[in-house]
Amino acid sequence: NAGVMQNPRHLVRRRGQEARLRCSPMKGHSHVYWYRQLPEEGLKFMVYLQKENIIDESGMPKERFSAEFPKEGPSILRIQQVVRGDSAAYFCASSGSEMLKVGNEKLFFGSGTQLSVL
Amino acid sequence: AQTVTQSQPEMSVQEAETVTLSCTYDTSESDYYLFWYKQPPSRQMILVIRQEAYKQQNATENRFSVNFQKAAKSFSLKISDSQLGDAAMYFCAYRIVRSLTGTASKLTFGTGTRLQVTL
Repeated sequence: NAGVMQNPRHLVRRRGQEARLRCSPMKGHSHVYWYRQLPEEGLKFMVYLQKENIIDESGMPKERFSAEFPKEGPSILRIQQVVRGDSAAYFCASSGSEMLKVGNEKLFFGSGTQLSVL
Repeated sequence: AQTVTQSQPEMSVQEAETVTLSCTYDTSESDYYLFWYKQPPSRQMILVIRQEAYKQQNATENRFSVNFQKAAKSFSLKISDSQLGDAAMYFCAYRIVRSLTGTASKLTFGTGTRLQVTL
């Protein structure tokens, strides 16, 4: 049973390019969370998605960032026109049910994508 | 807003010794979860231990235990019989149990403590 898979592991982009980060949740999981970790900092929540729905995007920057979790395929975090400040590790996590209701649902993290903007 | 504070950027412990990592948090909620995550150089976030705020008994997982002081909003992690494999970043995290919106699902992390284990 593969864990949460993120790719690529490392992504290098030049300023102004687009970055696409992919996350395949654990098998059977339909809830995905994206977090960002800046150097020497803890993880910061960005967005919470269920299949085809954004549930909470309170941590997403208002511009250039978007996320989706289609019915088929991985969740995608998309960053348009990247800037140097976007350089960070982006983590995806998944759970099997809505933690809001279950309460003690365990969250599984991927190994992250390290985005470097030149 | 909830905040989590880890005041020790780095800690060091000798192999087989015991070390305690500190964490304090601020919240107006009465029902929540607290976590300690380990992040080794591989970057994988690994859940070490979890505490439900309504439980007075401190959680333990093998060599890992917590000292949960709800009134003081303190949640420290004790690692006994430290091993070289314990060297990593350790993050304290918080989550409320439930809310009327979907925000209950997000974790709030501290800035981490880097633990070194020496021979």
